Amino acid sequence: KAGVTQTPRYLIKTRGQQVTLSCSPISGHRSVSWYQQTPGQGLQFLFEYFSETQRNKGNFPGRFSGRQFSNSRSEMNVSTLELGDSALYLCASHPSEGTEAFFGQGTRLTVV
Amino acid sequence: DQQVKQNSPSLSVQEGRISILNCDYTNSMFDYFLWYKKYPAEGPTFLISISSIKDKNEDGRFTVFLNKSAKHLSLHIVPSQPGDSAVYFCAASPNTGNQFYFGTGTSLTVIP
Repeated sequence: KAGVTQTPRYLIKTRGQQVTLSCSPISGHRSVSWYQQTPGQGLQFLFEYFSETQRNKGNFPGRFSGRQFSNSRSEMNVSTLELGDSALYLCASHPSEGTEAFFGQGTRLTVV
Repeated sequence: DQQVKQNSPSLSVQEGRISILNCDYTNSMFDYFLWYKKYPAEGPTFLISISSIKDKNEDGRFTVFLNKSAKHLSLHIVPSQPGDSAVYFCAASPNTGNQFYFGTGTSLTVIP
């Protein structure tokens, strides 16, 4: 069974640009969540999607958005990039509610 | 506001001895707790979880203890092996949705 796949693995963008990251969950998993990891901050929850609907949202500005498609694949978008957005962005899929999350390898975003 | 705290950024243990990683939380609505292990440049890997209706869960060398009155959980690894060297994150979730709150991690080094 394939794991969670995130693309691209690495990305370098310039301040002010926008970026789209992609996540394919484990087959059969309908819930996808996104996290940002920065040094010293642990993993910060961005949002969760279930059946194409955003179910939970973390405390991030509106520049961070996401969506989920009918095949459960998810994308997150960050507009007007800032230097502080440089981080590892992790996607996770859940087999059901209240269970462990399975993480992808992440996308390392560097904003210069 | 960090609702899940890991106050020890690092821990070193001799091979074969016990590793004890600690985690504290503040939100009494959390009822599901997990431990993840993370190697550099990889996504977190699920290790073990515990529901708030239990105070102990064991899986091989890994045991998680939950003290609800103290809002404290711990992960015991016995015996510790060099391959256990990684960053360990604890996480907590309320009883609805798949939003996890993570600690900032403890870097475990097992010395051969």
